[in-house]
Amino acid sequence: DIVLTQSPGTLSLSPGERATLSCRASQSVSSSYLAWYQQKPGQAPRLLIYVASSRATGIPDRFSGSGSGTDFTLTISRLEPEDFAVYYCQQYGSSPGTFGQGTKLEIK
Amino acid sequence: QVQLLQSGAEVKKPGASVRVSCKASGYTFTGYYIHWVRQAPGQGLEWMGWINPNSGATNYAQNFQGWVTMTRDTSISTAYMELSRLRSDDTAVYYCATDGGSVAAPKYFFDFWGQGTLVTVSS
Repeated sequence: DIVLTQSPGTLSLSPGERATLSCRASQSVSSSYLAWYQQKPGQAPRLLIYVASSRATGIPDRFSGSGSGTDFTLTISRLEPEDFAVYYCQQYGSSPGTFGQGTKLEIK
Repeated sequence: QVQLLQSGAEVKKPGASVRVSCKASGYTFTGYYIHWVRQAPGQGLEWMGWINPNSGATNYAQNFQGWVTMTRDTSISTAYMELSRLRSDDTAVYYCATDGGSVAAPKYFFDFWGQGTLVTVSS
């Protein structure tokens, strides 16, 4: 199975700042089939990005994804108060699909 | 709009079984795979498997083979996930989610999610 390692584990930033979250795969992710999800406490995850860089419907353009191969990044250009949450990456290029352990984005 | 409405919280004893339902609305139920994903308390996400609501075909993650069963009832647009021989470490929130593709071309990422069902396994 492909192991995804997210870093940092916790990221402390202030509203208005730029956030950069990393997801590294133990082997190359086929066709850049990588997704990002946002999860707030007590809620289900929400799809943000798929195929590494495509925004899901209704996702603000301050969220962007990039990367290929084994290294992927989720960038939030200017943090809004509602962006503080846990973020997970998921690869779906190889079965079984696997998730990273998550990055918690907290208010500084 | 797409909605997945899951059944309510369950408390089960070790060794018992649990069945969680996921009622779909706002789209063609038979057009998209349904995946099941679980999340233990304070932990990350774990994919359990999928069902093709059109054909009934299933694919389970290796960790769950032999003790998870996914079914569907197309007449009421509802998918089910049954987990048997429950253990305390099966305590988790169980989510259903639609596939981001279609049954003709599934993508295996998760587009819309149910609200989650907490299953607690305790003696």
